[in-house]
Amino acid sequence: GAGVSQSPSNKVTEKGKDVELRCDPISGHTALYWYRQSLGQGLEFLIYFQGNSAPDKSGLPSDRFSAERTGGSVSTLTIQRTQQEDSAVYLCASSLGQGANYEQYFGPGTRLTVT
Amino acid sequence: AQSVTQLGSHVSVSEGALVLLRCNYSSSVPPYLFWYVQYPNQGLQLLLKYTSAATLVKGINGFEAEFKKSETSFHLTKPSAHMSDAAEYFCAVNGNSGNTPLVFGKGTRLSVIA
Repeated sequence: GAGVSQSPSNKVTEKGKDVELRCDPISGHTALYWYRQSLGQGLEFLIYFQGNSAPDKSGLPSDRFSAERTGGSVSTLTIQRTQQEDSAVYLCASSLGQGANYEQYFGPGTRLTVT
Repeated sequence: AQSVTQLGSHVSVSEGALVLLRCNYSSSVPPYLFWYVQYPNQGLQLLLKYTSAATLVKGINGFEAEFKKSETSFHLTKPSAHMSDAAEYFCAVNGNSGNTPLVFGKGTRLSVIA
């Protein structure tokens, strides 16, 4: 079946512009995660959605970052007034449910470059 | 709180040689531990996971890892490296309390030399 998809695969933007990154999780997966992969920093958790519960935003690095999940499916990560340090690969993952027993399936990522 | 340390950002082995990628964790609760592999321009793929059952865990592609509580380690091994094993490998920890965002190590890039 279809896996997690993300778009765009690559995004180049100018400093100060806003960007939107999209994630389509696997159908039926109730949990959705955003991670950021930066050179030398590894993978950092950003935000997590589970069903209709309030999202866990504890990993968002600043108030320029926000995310929403419409209809319990597609999610959009928005970065406002982008900075060069936002350049990274943004990965989305989804899982069937909450809890470590549920495998997280990752998308291919969106590579963001801020010039 | 959990954390993961992967020793060695880059490991190089000859084809056919033993692969050993090191991972040490810190967790205030009994951990669940994971190894993921990332091939170039692809997302992460789960290799194997430890969820408090058998301490020796077998995964895909001939990889295995052993949970050693006394050493707080979860090292990844494969007896004989193949060229196709060249990739980035990430160790991750998750407390089994249900707090599910994974905490990842910084990754180890494995190169396999012919």
